[in-house]
Amino acid sequence: RKEVEQDPGPFNVPEGATVAFNCTYSNSASQSFFWYRQDCRKEPKLLMSVYSSGNEDGRFTAQLNRASQYISLLIRDSKLSDSATYLCVVNIGNFNKFYFGSGTKLNVKP
Amino acid sequence: ETGVTQSPTHLIKTRGQQVTLRCSSQSGHNTVSWYQQALGQGPQFIFQYYREEENGRGNFPPRFSGLQFPNYSSELNVNALELDDSALYLCASSATQNTGELFFGEGSRLTVL
Repeated sequence: RKEVEQDPGPFNVPEGATVAFNCTYSNSASQSFFWYRQDCRKEPKLLMSVYSSGNEDGRFTAQLNRASQYISLLIRDSKLSDSATYLCVVNIGNFNKFYFGSGTKLNVKP
Repeated sequence: ETGVTQSPTHLIKTRGQQVTLRCSSQSGHNTVSWYQQALGQGPQFIFQYYREEENGRGNFPPRFSGLQFPNYSSELNVNALELDDSALYLCASSATQNTGELFFGEGSRLTVL
């Protein structure tokens, strides 16, 4: 079983739409959580950390549900430039190992 | 730009050969991690180096090895290449061992024929 599971998508949405991605993790000892963004044929870049209380950064909101072991990312008012693959990342207790999901592909259409 | 540079950007090898990939970390970062990203998959952790010592390893066989130098640059070596080693190899530097903010290079794309 994979440590981190994501729906691969693609999610095809029109500009201005709200879209949400979920990610589940298998190890209850997981300690820290992140969303990374990866554009086609480019390197991943940190989008935001995910805190237990939930956190927001502009149009992006991340939530963590430890009881159900899932993480979510909500994107409001989607822009064409949001088109990318979104990677869920979990640190499982051992501080130097980060487990990436396979990513969820988002296509924002005009 | 993250300030992390990798070389070479692309290379082609045949089965059984050996390859060395190089990474220069961002200025001020003492920790380097290596990841393998197969097509359509997320990056998979290979190992991490902190102050020239291996400091954690993922589920990769011993033919995957590495080094970190005093200037914190790093190498990934893969011996006895297999077809399944074809992937994008990403180097990530970070300011400390336990931060989730990884700064990735653009990667080295390895094709094994």
